[in-house]
Amino acid sequence: AQSVAQPEDQVNVAEGNPLTVKCTYSVSGNPYLFWYVQYPNRGLQFLLKYITGDNLVKGSYGFEAEFNKSQTSFHLKKPSALVSDSALYFCAQTGANNLFFGTGTRLTVIP
Amino acid sequence: ETGVTQTPRHLVMGMTNKKSLKCEQHLGHNAMYWYKQSAKKPLELMFVYSLEERVENNSVPSRFSPECPNSSHLFLHLHTLQPEDSALYLCASSQQRGTEAFFGQGTRLTVV
Repeated sequence: AQSVAQPEDQVNVAEGNPLTVKCTYSVSGNPYLFWYVQYPNRGLQFLLKYITGDNLVKGSYGFEAEFNKSQTSFHLKKPSALVSDSALYFCAQTGANNLFFGTGTRLTVIP
Repeated sequence: ETGVTQTPRHLVMGMTNKKSLKCEQHLGHNAMYWYKQSAKKPLELMFVYSLEERVENNSVPSRFSPECPNSSHLFLHLHTLQPEDSALYLCASSQQRGTEAFFGQGTRLTVV
């Protein structure tokens, strides 16, 4: 079955520093990969997706993600973190026509 | 917001009650979903509807009963729930299955 792994439950980063939230996916043909963000007491918001083409995908709020086939990874990145980026981040992969989510990574940006 | 609206936002119910969660999407999407979000667990896909037809039921107990009367509305009927069913229930829709989904704000359910 398709699955994604988010190896870090928690990531802390200082404001202004670059951030990375890690995700690895299961190998299954040509995966469709997604990142979502969840703020407190809210639903998930779509950030970006990789379908095909350029390995570097740009999304909302200055986030980007890099598809790496050899490492089966799709890490989320941002060059300069903001305190307002503090939230729960989910990686997702399509499989059998459905979206399967990781366990989430809580990002805390420290002022 | 995202174009997907869920009501109520919060619900407290006893184990013998019957209640329903409502979801409405204004995006013209063809697929709708119910997910359950519990602490420190992956989001659990519960039900999938495509063009108003249920296409997936992921071993969800019968105390959860979905209904999709049209392509814009999705309900989750609840009865005789257990305390472990307390969670955030998220509705989502997508243009078609397997494409990016747009989520509602969720219903925080507490079973007492």
